[in-house]
Amino acid sequence: QKEVEQDPGPLSVPEGAIVSLNCTYSNSAFQYFMWYRQYSRKGPELLMYTYSSGNKEDGRFTAQVDKSSKYISLFIRDSQPSDSATYLCAMKVAGTASKLTFGTGTRLQVTL
Amino acid sequence: GAVVSQHPSWVICKSGTSVKIECRSLDFQATTMFWYRQFPKQSLMLMATSNEGSKATYEQGVEKDKFLINHASLTLSTLTVTSAHPEDSSFYICSARDRGYQETQYFGPGTRLLVL
Repeated sequence: QKEVEQDPGPLSVPEGAIVSLNCTYSNSAFQYFMWYRQYSRKGPELLMYTYSSGNKEDGRFTAQVDKSSKYISLFIRDSQPSDSATYLCAMKVAGTASKLTFGTGTRLQVTL
Repeated sequence: GAVVSQHPSWVICKSGTSVKIECRSLDFQATTMFWYRQFPKQSLMLMATSNEGSKATYEQGVEKDKFLINHASLTLSTLTVTSAHPEDSSFYICSARDRGYQETQYFGPGTRLLVL
């Protein structure tokens, strides 16, 4: 079993829809959670960074962490065609020496 | 803020030659930098972790003599693919951890390497 599970998609939604992207994890030591967006042939871009359980909002993006269920989500409101990309969840345990563990990424396509 | 650059963005070379890729943190100091490799439609595969002024730590299965990493300063790390072969063709991405904000990483735009 992988430490981080993420549905690879593709997920296709119409413009304006609310998108929900999810990851589950098995390592209860993970404390820091990130969402990256990666456009084709580009490096990942940090979208959201969270530490505690609960919600964090930034513009059209909301990151949600439920440590008790080992489940994180990224919500995108009013989705736009420019949101079409692969979304990677990533997480790590505390400590500067620890590495990020990535999900496989979910491909999102927002259609006109 | 938190910008990481890579150079070159793409490179084509002949089999047997060496290729150097630079990774720079432009507006922060990076005590730790990471090198990843990514195949089409796959997630990132960590190759090595480098700390400024010390030897890189390579992941299992990554040939340290083939992928030479140097992290000479707080803003620059280089990856040299020595005696490149077609199977080394891939997308190489570096990332850097901010010295003052250690729990996350910022990624460069990637370098596409094609070995003929």
